[in-house]
Amino acid sequence: QVTLKESGPVLVKPTETLTLTCTVSGFSLSDDRMGVTWIRQPPGKALEWLAHILSNDEKSYSTSLKSRLTISKDTSKSQVVLTMTNMDPVDTATYFCARIGDLFWGALDIWGQGTMVTVSS
Amino acid sequence: DVQMTQSPSSLSASVGDRVTITCRASQSISSYLNWYQQKPGKAPKLLIYGASSLQSGVPSRFTGSGSRTDFTLTISSLQPEDFATYYCQQSSSSPRTFGQGTKVAIK
Repeated sequence: QVTLKESGPVLVKPTETLTLTCTVSGFSLSDDRMGVTWIRQPPGKALEWLAHILSNDEKSYSTSLKSRLTISKDTSKSQVVLTMTNMDPVDTATYFCARIGDLFWGALDIWGQGTMVTVSS
Repeated sequence: DVQMTQSPSSLSASVGDRVTITCRASQSISSYLNWYQQKPGKAPKLLIYGASSLQSGVPSRFTGSGSRTDFTLTISSLQPEDFATYYCQQSSSSPRTFGQGTKVAIK
């Protein structure tokens, strides 16, 4: 069974750096044709694509957030880590990780449950 | 970046209705278009990938069509469990943008 689970702080202060971890099971981060994506959703708003990392370690970032984001993976730990610097209250959101099940089509076939992050002093 | 525009933003419909949601890309994305369903407090669920391929386990009342810039998601006969928000997403190029969502509510 393929699962993804997000973990990280519930509350961060403005200007701090957020570090989120996505732990996967049921597949390997080195499996060909797969990848992991981070997405966020502010309360009551739409989904926003943040970044992805593919099996060949290719990385891509949201244009508007590129300067603040870093994505990496530790295949031995089955973890994908997203860091976002200089957090602001507008970054308050539920953060999801999801698997790209087939690099050809790029669809996100399995999602984690999400983790809510609040930015407040 | 490829901009994805969904219409309408929301709609009201009754059980049994045929519902169509449109997604338009700002440039050609071939058939690299995916549809997701999200219910309140839950993670999105993949419905359609490659513009028209039904994800395993998804009911056949959901169909996707279109190519290049114009796409549609059709629910042939709306069921009570289909009241949700629907998002399109392009996977033709990075960053892989989402539409703003279409909320399907009960009339």
